[in-house]
Amino acid sequence: KQEVTQIPAALSVPEGENLVLNCSFTDSAIYNLQWFRQDPGKGLTSLLLIQSSQREQTSGRLNASLDKSSGRSTLYIAASQPGDSATYLCAVSNNAGNMLTFGGGTRLMVKP
Amino acid sequence: EAGVAQSPRYKIIEKRQSVAFWCNPISGHATLYWYQQILGQGPKLLIQFQNNGVVDDSQLPKDRFSAERLKGVDSTLKIQPAKLEDSAVYLCASSSRGGRNQPQHFGDGTRLSIL
Repeated sequence: KQEVTQIPAALSVPEGENLVLNCSFTDSAIYNLQWFRQDPGKGLTSLLLIQSSQREQTSGRLNASLDKSSGRSTLYIAASQPGDSATYLCAVSNNAGNMLTFGGGTRLMVKP
Repeated sequence: EAGVAQSPRYKIIEKRQSVAFWCNPISGHATLYWYQQILGQGPKLLIQFQNNGVVDDSQLPKDRFSAERLKGVDSTLKIQPAKLEDSAVYLCASSSRGGRNQPQHFGDGTRLSIL
């Protein structure tokens, strides 16, 4: 059974810092790994999707990497801003049906 | 493009009562998912539909939960009877196809409180 773990559970940084969020998974036979953002009281917004054959994806100040063999992914946020404050969730898909297993999330606060 | 619509946004009921949630996916999206998100945890998949057929419902507590997507568009999720541990946010998501590497688009969810 796939298990996804995110460390740290919460993180507080001053504005402008670069930061890294970590995600690990137990079963490396994945189709893809996705990073989502969740604001309080809202649904999830897809940030990046890395296919199993890819090593990384970039979108603006976000960069996600994937090391499938070691069961790890990182989300790098450059030059953090208060608007980046949210919960970040990673999820992996183990089958063609794209059913996702989520980690518990990292709650990020960026202080002005 | 309109997003995934869910209603109601909030619901408070007493244990042993029944409740239903409604989801309207993005137009043209064949695949629909229902997730349960308990406070402080990541979402857990309950059921996946492809058009109006069930792809996977292995994590759906079938003794009390049911879901349907009769015409392959809107979907309803029902709980009967509700238990205290069902207090959670119920999220609906859709994707254009059920195949791998299709991003899922989420609604804002229904927050359920059981008294």
